[in-house]
Amino acid sequence: SYVLTQPPSVSVAPGKTAIITCGGDDIESKSVHWYQHKPGQAPVVVIRYGSDRPSGIPERFSGSDSENTATLTISRVEAGDEADYYCQVWDDSSDHWVFGGGTKLTVL
Amino acid sequence: EVQLVESGGGLVKPGGSLRIACEASGFTFTDAWMNWVRQAPGKGLEWVGRIRSTFDAGTTEYAAPVKDRFIISRDDSKNTLFLQMNNLKNDDTALYYCSAAFRPESPFDIWGQGTMVTVSS
Repeated sequence: SYVLTQPPSVSVAPGKTAIITCGGDDIESKSVHWYQHKPGQAPVVVIRYGSDRPSGIPERFSGSDSENTATLTISRVEAGDEADYYCQVWDDSSDHWVFGGGTKLTVL
Repeated sequence: EVQLVESGGGLVKPGGSLRIACEASGFTFTDAWMNWVRQAPGKGLEWVGRIRSTFDAGTTEYAAPVKDRFIISRDDSKNTLFLQMNNLKNDDTALYYCSAAFRPESPFDIWGQGTMVTVSS
């Protein structure tokens, strides 16, 4: 089955840039979605289809991908960005959605 | 207001059954491909399964850990999604979210707040 690999944690100081990676075999050929999940709240899509930012999501959030790695970049990090972030793809070989293991972003 | 509201969670013994529900409002439920996603305590998000829109045949797909034990269904007349969980195991203990997408590989744009299912003797 398809596996997405994320670092368990990323720490960054306010105002700096956070980079969260999501590794998967030939992930560049898939549509990658990113979610922000804060405790006690429902997950929210922050990036759709690799790099598309939904309305209402700050421009500080951006996404990109290369052959085997998708990346979520959060510029000028704020305290309110502290959350768990998950990448997600559809694996058409198994007809399953797959989530990465999640990355806890800590704002120092 | 666009909303998904889950209900029916609770405590159940191993081997038991439970049905949880998710009521939709504020969007065209019949167009939605509905998903169940769960989060075990201290763990990440795990996709459980989905049901296509009725227009797209209403067929279902399930993750391997729940296949043959869980059944997803929908009642479009009541804008409600269901998850029937049978032969429950301790590992099924989780917060269960319903979520809505509007195309086969589109992201889950709408989420509920979740309902907690605890499997314990």
